[in-house]
Amino acid sequence: DGGITQSPKYLFRKEGQNVTLSCEQNLNHDAMYWYRQDPGQGLRLIYYSQIVNDFQKGDIAEGYSVSREKKESFPLTVTSAQKNPTAFYLCASSRRQGEGNTEAFFGQGTRLTVV
Amino acid sequence: GESVGLHLPTLSVQEGDNSIINCAYSNSASDYFIWYKQESGKGPQFIIDIRSNMDKRQGQRVTVLLNKTVKHLSLQIAATQPGDSAVYFCAEKGGYNKLIFGAGTRLAVHP
Repeated sequence: DGGITQSPKYLFRKEGQNVTLSCEQNLNHDAMYWYRQDPGQGLRLIYYSQIVNDFQKGDIAEGYSVSREKKESFPLTVTSAQKNPTAFYLCASSRRQGEGNTEAFFGQGTRLTVV
Repeated sequence: GESVGLHLPTLSVQEGDNSIINCAYSNSASDYFIWYKQESGKGPQFIIDIRSNMDKRQGQRVTVLLNKTVKHLSLQIAATQPGDSAVYFCAEKGGYNKLIFGAGTRLAVHP
């Protein structure tokens, strides 16, 4: 089954700790994205990557870091510099622009809570 | 800057009625729009998309209308069912395939 998988589903972090959220896709998509969603709000872009070994900051990149060493994987690290990390994190992937339909497919999300 | 927004935060409809969810966008250069459905605690699911060279696109029980003159997008759901209850987002495709999302509209379907 092709799809995009996020893990874990729930994650608890102590203040001052870094945590890494996993995102894996087997859709052969070049582009991958991380979004943050706060209660009752829309999705805000954290980081995105159009190709392996390349990524760009989105609108709210401060306190986050990513890597894109493999096409299938785009892990997100929430660092201690992120002052309000409690949120629902969504990973997505899509074809690159110019390669047909480019709608993004989303994972089921990781709910991060700072305790 | 770019922005996508929704007119109604909550929409309540009776089962069997038609639903219309509206969305405004600000970037007149955008050429691709998507509607997503998000159920509680889950990731958004693709519903339907439309390119700017079209005014209307139909799917199964859903229709998207695009009015480029006033930069307005709408999602029509025919014969709304309880399973349609969710938050609906419109999204605008910006540069580098970035999706710009609005705040969403919650659709509540009552029996």
